[in-house]
Amino acid sequence: GENVEQHPSTLSVQEGDSAVIKCTYSDSASNYFPWYKQELGKGPQLIIDIRSNVGEKKDQRIAVTLNKTAKHFSLHITETQPEDSAVYFCAASIRDDKIIFGKGTRLHILP
Amino acid sequence: DGGITQSPKYLFRKEGQNVTLSCEQNLNHDAMYWYRQDPGQGLRLIYYSQIVNDFQKGDIAEGYSVSREKKESFPLTVTSAQKNPTAFYLCASSIEGPFNQPQHFGDGTRLSIL
Repeated sequence: GENVEQHPSTLSVQEGDSAVIKCTYSDSASNYFPWYKQELGKGPQLIIDIRSNVGEKKDQRIAVTLNKTAKHFSLHITETQPEDSAVYFCAASIRDDKIIFGKGTRLHILP
Repeated sequence: DGGITQSPKYLFRKEGQNVTLSCEQNLNHDAMYWYRQDPGQGLRLIYYSQIVNDFQKGDIAEGYSVSREKKESFPLTVTSAQKNPTAFYLCASSIEGPFNQPQHFGDGTRLSIL
């Protein structure tokens, strides 16, 4: 069935370095790809999203890239800070049909 | 401030008991969603609603029921038929739906079995 695979499951980076999280989706009809950040005991919060007619989107230190041919999209966080420590989820959706979430990446920012 | 409020934050269920989780939004969003989150897992869709008095089953609807009598409210009932209800439950809404707009989440209800 349809699936979204997210890697890595855990990522530790030194403060100030970059972090990259990658997701691969199976349904080529997917056309909306959001990324959510979840802090402990809280609900997820949207940090950036991209639609299938765009290849890249950037918002300050956060960027997302989409490769429709390879069916993968990635989250890039530059100049990481302690407050970036959280669990990050990707998702792929098809309007009026479905949304599927990845299993999450726990990001640790090391001092 | 606009947002989504879930209550209670923690809930305990006895065997054979139905429990209802509350979800209220003041964002004037049309679409609302319920997800289940288990440790180390992504979010799995239980039910969603695009408009008042209409809702659809998600991927894991068995043992759950919902209602959408008001735009602002989308309560979830976990019935005794749900044999493994221990999980973190998240409610979300989007300006329209389903699925292709950013979702705003509440802070969840953690349900445990006594």
